[in-house]
Amino acid sequence: RKEVEQDPGPFNVPEGATVAFNCTYSNSASQSFFWYRQDCRKEPKLLMSVYSSGNEDGRFTAQLNRASQYISLLIRDSKLSDSATYLCVVDMDSSYKLIFGSGTRLLVRP
Amino acid sequence: DTGVSQNPRHKITKRGQNVTFRCDPISEHNRLYWYRQTLGQGPEFLTYFQNEAQLEKSRLLSDRFSAERPKGSFSTLEIQRTEQGDSAMYLCASSGRERRQETQYFGPGTRLLVL
Repeated sequence: RKEVEQDPGPFNVPEGATVAFNCTYSNSASQSFFWYRQDCRKEPKLLMSVYSSGNEDGRFTAQLNRASQYISLLIRDSKLSDSATYLCVVDMDSSYKLIFGSGTRLLVRP
Repeated sequence: DTGVSQNPRHKITKRGQNVTFRCDPISEHNRLYWYRQTLGQGPEFLTYFQNEAQLEKSRLLSDRFSAERPKGSFSTLEIQRTEQGDSAMYLCASSGRERRQETQYFGPGTRLLVL
């Protein structure tokens, strides 16, 4: 079993749609969680950190469910510019070593 | 630009040659990381430094790989006797404490192609 698992997609949605990604992680002791965004042939960029209480940044909402060991990302009112790969990232043992999922690809069409 | 920088951005080499990559972190960050990413996969951790001390190395980091951060500022990653399987994007990141947790910021990467 992979340490961080994501549906690879692609998710193909129209502009304005709401789309949700889920991610599961294997280590119940994990403490830090993130979503990164990666455009084609570019470096990953931090989208948002994920806190136990959940957090929201504009059109993006992240949730953490520790009991089920999954993390979610909700994107509302999708824009063409949201097309990218979204990486679920976990710091498994507070060692600063990040474990990345393989990414979920999102395509937003006009 | 005060972000993480990496040089070179691209490197093409022949199998068996040695290559060296450089990473300059964000200046106030004392932790620096190296990752490797292949097509269709997320980045995989290789090693990390706190100041000049190398604190952890992945099993992915064979004895052909060596990383240094001699003065606790920039870092180099050297691959000796390159193999075709070393072809990948090599990403450097640095981190500092932001609000509630340590956050890593990535450089643009060095794309290596071994022929």
